[in-house]
Amino acid sequence: GNSVTQMEGPVTLSEEAFLTINCTYTATGYPSLFWYVQYPGEGLQLLLKATKADDKGSNKGFEATYRKETTSFHLEKGSVQVSDSAVYFCALVHTGGFKTIFGAGTRLFVKA
Amino acid sequence: EAEVAQSPRYKITEKSQAVAFWCDPISGHATLYWYRQILGQGPELLVQFQDESVVDDSQLPKDRFSAERLKGVDSTLKIQPAELGDSAMYLCASSLAPAGGLTDTQYFGPGTRLTVL
Repeated sequence: GNSVTQMEGPVTLSEEAFLTINCTYTATGYPSLFWYVQYPGEGLQLLLKATKADDKGSNKGFEATYRKETTSFHLEKGSVQVSDSAVYFCALVHTGGFKTIFGAGTRLFVKA
Repeated sequence: EAEVAQSPRYKITEKSQAVAFWCDPISGHATLYWYRQILGQGPELLVQFQDESVVDDSQLPKDRFSAERLKGVDSTLKIQPAELGDSAMYLCASSLAPAGGLTDTQYFGPGTRLTVL
């Protein structure tokens, strides 16, 4: 079946460090891939998305590239800030029914 | 900026009682979703509406859960009777396109945190 696997957290970094959160997926067909972020006390919000192989999504300094050959969509940021502390969810929408499948989430703590 | 509204934000109930959650999506959004998010896990889809019609309720425990979106606008999710295992965050989301779509962005409300004692 369709699934999303994320690296386990929490991830703790110092401000200005490089961030990578790994995400791999299993899906039939050609899904669209998303990263959502959930700040403390708030609902999820879209961070970035990619809809086909080799697409790169980017927003607020975050990037992720849709790699079909490795079925991955890793999230990266060159220099994290304290305000990036949140839970990050990788997700896919597959062609069979357009249902969204979320990963378990990765909590990021950024220290000043 | 338009937002998805949910109420209540927090609900504490005893097992075997009935609870109801309300969601008002962004105006004009055709698709509405209810998700359950257990602590430490990602959201799991319970039910998806396009306008007033259910398009996916395969993960909804229909013996105790019900959902409706009568006029294709706001929606109510009900649990009766509540069980201890229902303690979770219940998230509502909406998207513009009919049936969601492969690339459509979902906009989430703040959620209702349910605690069943």
